[in-house]
Amino acid sequence: SQQGEEDPQALSIQEGENATMNCSYKTSINNLQWYRQNSGRGLVHLILIRSNEREKHSGRLRVTLDTSKKSSSLLITASRAADTASYFCATDASGGSNYKLTFGKGTLLTVNP
Amino acid sequence: DAGVIQSPRHEVTEMGQEVTLRCKPISGHNSLFWYRQTMMRGLELLIYFNNNVPIDDSGMPEDRFSAKMPNASFSTLKIQPSEPRDSAVYFCASRYTGGDEQYFGPGTRLTVT
Repeated sequence: SQQGEEDPQALSIQEGENATMNCSYKTSINNLQWYRQNSGRGLVHLILIRSNEREKHSGRLRVTLDTSKKSSSLLITASRAADTASYFCATDASGGSNYKLTFGKGTLLTVNP
Repeated sequence: DAGVIQSPRHEVTEMGQEVTLRCKPISGHNSLFWYRQTMMRGLELLIYFNNNVPIDDSGMPEDRFSAKMPNASFSTLKIQPSEPRDSAVYFCASRYTGGDEQYFGPGTRLTVT
């Protein structure tokens, strides 16, 4: 399996409910980022958590990072139909000048009105 | 800011033809990335440039693919000759050196028949 794998692959919830997506990775990282992709669009950065952080909030988003388990979770509270999208985690495991992100295959979130 | 600009947005071509995808990164961003997205393989990094210099092209699938960045505001990804298995959405992204997040363009949907 590749660095940065999300689960579940697909999640369907009702508007107002919370959505939780998980990401696992294999190597040590500098930071982990979450991106959203609406159908037919490019990815949009949502939130970043560094390796020395355990939790971070941004609006309705909450991200946790457990480096001992090499895993992260993204929680979207009080979901809206507009949150329907694919969500990707991306890990920065680079060193020196060879920076790059490795993306997982994503979780497709459907929020039903 | 106009964001990352890609052209064309859609390209349909016949097997064997040359395809050129174009990207204009965000002004002031020093790093540029080319990705390919398919259902089967997810989002794959093909190549990335830093200050117009290719840093890592290990993701370029084969010699039929080539990428150039002649200046800080323009990059091309060329496929010659194209094959049906090259059908995918190709994304360009840019990043400011010193920043962590990547900014994605809207993508080019390539169909090779």
